[in-house]
Amino acid sequence: QLQLQESGPGLVKPSETLSLTCTVSGGSISSARYYWGFIRQPPGKGLEWIGNMYYSGYTHYNPSLKSRVTISVETSKNQFSLKLSSVTAADTAVYYCASLRDNFFDYWGQGILVTVSS
Amino acid sequence: QSALTQPASVSGSPGQSITISCIGTSSDVGSYNLVSWYQQHPGKAPKLMIYEGTKRPSGVSNRFSGSKSGNTASLTISGLQAEDEADYYCCSSAGSGTWVFGGGTKLTVL
Repeated sequence: QLQLQESGPGLVKPSETLSLTCTVSGGSISSARYYWGFIRQPPGKGLEWIGNMYYSGYTHYNPSLKSRVTISVETSKNQFSLKLSSVTAADTAVYYCASLRDNFFDYWGQGILVTVSS
Repeated sequence: QSALTQPASVSGSPGQSITISCIGTSSDVGSYNLVSWYQQHPGKAPKLMIYEGTKRPSGVSNRFSGSKSGNTASLTISGLQAEDEADYYCCSSAGSGTWVFGGGTKLTVL
């Protein structure tokens, strides 16, 4: 059974870049069965898909965030990462990493709250 | 890519059945049989309840069922229990490898 764990700063200044890492255990990030993705949830609001990537580097991003988002993989560490540039208060959210198997998100990390504030 | 439309809240008494709708468009829900549903308790990560419209993962109660008609997907919970009180989200493929979630529905068990 996969386990995913987010890590990174809990506070980011406006206009800076938010960086998070997701560590995968219980399976290989190079598995052909999975895409790996990030989803966020602003406080008191709904879920928003950010993007996915395949271990080979193939990516898909939410069109509304595409210009600011990069998802990358570090296969040697069994990790994948999110970078979101030029953040504002609207990017304050709980960020989840998840595995996308076929057509559904089956395993999720516990989530990490990232606050954008000076 | 707009969020799928869900009712903000639904409620029901223990033992009753409720249905949560998820309205999309011909570009997402209507085009693909790839709707999934997630249950989220306060402070917890979402949990997969239904995938590919009607399928239940191992370990999920058969009180949960999914369906789709046209651009609308639905989640039905029968025999409501207190532990079902949570937020529920639908999710659909929107094509070209992209995904869209619904706004979420808060289920209250009276």
